[in-house]
Amino acid sequence: QQQVRQSPQSLTVWEGETAILNCSYEDSTFDYFPWYHQFPGESPALLIAIRPVSNKKEDGRFTIFFNKREKKFSLHIADSQPGDSATYFCAASRGGGSNYKLTFGKGTLLTVTP
Amino acid sequence: NAGVIQTPRHKVTGKGQEATLWCEPISGHSAVFWYRQTIVQGLEFLTYFRNQAPIDDSGMPKERFSAQMPNQSHSTLKIQSTQPQDSAVYLCASSLMGNTGQLYFGEGSKLTVL
Repeated sequence: QQQVRQSPQSLTVWEGETAILNCSYEDSTFDYFPWYHQFPGESPALLIAIRPVSNKKEDGRFTIFFNKREKKFSLHIADSQPGDSATYFCAASRGGGSNYKLTFGKGTLLTVTP
Repeated sequence: NAGVIQTPRHKVTGKGQEATLWCEPISGHSAVFWYRQTIVQGLEFLTYFRNQAPIDDSGMPKERFSAQMPNQSHSTLKIQSTQPQDSAVYLCASSLMGNTGQLYFGEGSKLTVL
């Protein structure tokens, strides 16, 4: 049973466009939703995260939109840059994320073309 | 400030041999997680410890995998009778107690089973 589903598997956008990556989850007890990114040859690193007290979280060009009713959340990357090319993983956990395991989606490979 | 340290970075074993992977979490971090990463399955949760106590090992293949955390400065993942399907990058991560939920990943141990 895949608890966190991610789409698309790969995405190519032009420089300057907005990239949209999607995730959905099944477990209604999940209450912490981060996005990690992983550059080639490196380990995953936290990019941005949201808790369901809000339905939007912004950090510069990166925005999470959260829909609790539909159990969906998405990452929007505005003004995409070639340096944003990486694999992006959404994840979810319980307990507000405090020392609980993260369940990851299978990742979206983002390529930003100059 | 050192990050999570994993050794060895690369290990090649023959089918049926044993492999032991080591992880040194960031000093002061109270939780240690083990994940396995493959192209097909993505980031799979294996097990985690909180304050050295095993909390959840639901992702571990029980027959051949075991993990320990004998002290707060290191954890080990042991795979007995390795099989080709065990080939993967094994990632260790640590996090602080509290509500940040941020995992800090090590660089990983790439296991190849011939």
